[in-house]
Amino acid sequence: GESVGLHLPTLSVQEGDNSIINCAYSNSASDYFIWYKQESGKGPQFIIDIRSNMDKRQGQRVTVLLNKTVKHLSLQIAATQPGDSAVYFCAENTGGNTGKLIFGQGTTLQVKP
Amino acid sequence: DAGITQSPRHKVTETGTPVTLRCHQTENHRYMYWYRQDPGHGLRLIHYSYGVKDTDKGEVSDGYSVSRSKTEDFLLTLESATSSQTSVYFCAITQDKNEKLFFGSGTQLSVL
Repeated sequence: GESVGLHLPTLSVQEGDNSIINCAYSNSASDYFIWYKQESGKGPQFIIDIRSNMDKRQGQRVTVLLNKTVKHLSLQIAATQPGDSAVYFCAENTGGNTGKLIFGQGTTLQVKP
Repeated sequence: DAGITQSPRHKVTETGTPVTLRCHQTENHRYMYWYRQDPGHGLRLIHYSYGVKDTDKGEVSDGYSVSRSKTEDFLLTLESATSSQTSVYFCAITQDKNEKLFFGSGTQLSVL
């Protein structure tokens, strides 16, 4: 399955399938990107990050891809599990002296058993 | 939640009353942030701190003030709460401004 972030805020996938969540970021000067997972009633939880000198980074069951040419970020979750059901946010760090992050609106991932 | 405690977890108050939310960290991180989260707006930065007594405004700072007298505590004050400040408030911390933020569990504030 594939989501285009703001335009399709909910992604529904079957358990065991791979999920792809997309994010378009706003600032071409952004040099650091982070994916967060947020479960209902909890704070955002760090999943994986990537810096602008890379185009791919892998974690445990997750991969982040960065395409600076089109200012696009994606999160791939392999073998999606019910526990992956949550809202996923991308965030970009535009640099400077403050470390402020700009967050996307989020995509809801629903995993069907 | 990475050694971050927000208090209270829930609060209901009336319009016009002052409210203070507290963020306490045990990580000795330099940077602390206050965000609010609303449907349709995502996470928006209210204020942040880059050290004791060093604070600055974020994108939605009107109606809010902050104080940081100790490394471990960052207070957010609504001097006169309004219904538009009903929201979930998150505190976040990081040691380095170019690193990921760690978030607290949030405070659900309702202003009636």
